[in-house]
Amino acid sequence: AQKITQTQPGMFVQEKEAVTLDCTYDTSDPSYGLFWYKQPSSGEMIFLIYQGSYDQQNATEGRYSLNFQKARKSANLVISASQLGDSAMYFCAMSLRGSTLGRLYFGRGTQLTVWP
Amino acid sequence: DTGVSQDPRHKITKRGQNVTFRCDPISEHNRLYWYRQTLGQGPEFLTYFQNEAQLEKSRLLSDRFSAERPKGSFSTLEIQRTEQGDSAMYLCASSSLQGTTDTQYFGPGTRLTVL
Repeated sequence: AQKITQTQPGMFVQEKEAVTLDCTYDTSDPSYGLFWYKQPSSGEMIFLIYQGSYDQQNATEGRYSLNFQKARKSANLVISASQLGDSAMYFCAMSLRGSTLGRLYFGRGTQLTVWP
Repeated sequence: DTGVSQDPRHKITKRGQNVTFRCDPISEHNRLYWYRQTLGQGPEFLTYFQNEAQLEKSRLLSDRFSAERPKGSFSTLEIQRTEQGDSAMYLCASSSLQGTTDTQYFGPGTRLTVL
């Protein structure tokens, strides 16, 4: 069975500091994709970053980077230079077979609060 | 580029009533997904369309739930004889396969409250 685990219900970070949100996953499928989404209080899920299981390099998108450790089955999100607008719920998700089959499996999320 | 839109944004209904939600995907996307999200949880997959074909359904999708995507464009999700346990946020997402990457883009959701 596929599973995503996010062990941090809440995280706090001061503005301009970096923060790491943890995500571990479990699958026996050798080909999979890992995603991070941001969900502000308005409810919309905003795509942040993607990492494929065969990608050699860690993914980066602006202030977001994904620390992919395949042997440990972890895909932590690193947000550099935090901003007040980063305060939101963050979800880690996985799809199988390089995303070609569709459905996403989500974790329970981490609530990030950025304080001034 | 217009994003995914959903209508209505909020719906309050009485137990036993039928409700229907609509999702309009990003125009060039051929894949469309429905998810349900309850308070404090991540979204849970309900069903998936590729063009007009419904290719996958979750066991969460009981007989009271039906989804359609006529002509492979917009999609509707209907819940018959609503129950209080159906209260949740219903999220729609769309995607288009690019190589081996299929990034899903979500709409704003429809929040359902069943009284």
